[in-house]
Amino acid sequence: GDSVTQMEGPVTLSEEAFLTINCTYTATGYPSLFWYVQYPGEGLQLLLKATKADDKGSNKGFEATYRKETTSFHLEKGSVQVSDSAVYFCALSDSGGGADGLTFGKGTHLIIQP
Amino acid sequence: DVKVTQSSRYLVKRTGEKVFLECVQDMDHENMFWYRQDPGLGLRLIYFSYDVKMKEKGDIPEGYSVSREKKERFSLILESASTNQTSMYLCASSLAGLTYEQYFGPGTRLTVT
Repeated sequence: GDSVTQMEGPVTLSEEAFLTINCTYTATGYPSLFWYVQYPGEGLQLLLKATKADDKGSNKGFEATYRKETTSFHLEKGSVQVSDSAVYFCALSDSGGGADGLTFGKGTHLIIQP
Repeated sequence: DVKVTQSSRYLVKRTGEKVFLECVQDMDHENMFWYRQDPGLGLRLIYFSYDVKMKEKGDIPEGYSVSREKKERFSLILESASTNQTSMYLCASSLAGLTYEQYFGPGTRLTVT
């Protein structure tokens, strides 16, 4: 079945550091890929998405590129802020038009220190 | 903005009780989902629904049932709560189609004692 693997953390960085959170996936079809973010005490919010190979999703300074050859969708940000502290989930949708739920990774807890 | 609301943020129930978790979305989305979130396990899909009165089992449906009588409302039911159902429950909704995005509610933290 489909699966998503990501580094679990916690990942602790200083403010203005460069961020990479690795995500790799296994899917039978041609999935869409997503990064969701969960701030403390809140539900998940969609951060960015990519629907086909070589697409780059971006939002709020975060970027991720859909790499079919390496089945990866790594999240990057050039300069993190304390407000980026959250749990980040990589996810895929392989529904082929159906209504299946997303397949999530286990989440990466990111802590940014001032 | 899409808004997904859940009836309670925190809930404490006793073992054996029947528990109802309610979710309402205001954007006329066809699809609705229930997940549970546990440390080290991430999010796991319990049930989803792609239309009124329609439901499909997710990855971990045992011990749960759902009801969708109206398009905007999706209920999760624990027929007889057990301590291993202590968890964070997240509801989500989305439009139908190949490429879609799920919008999540804030979650209900359920404790079964």
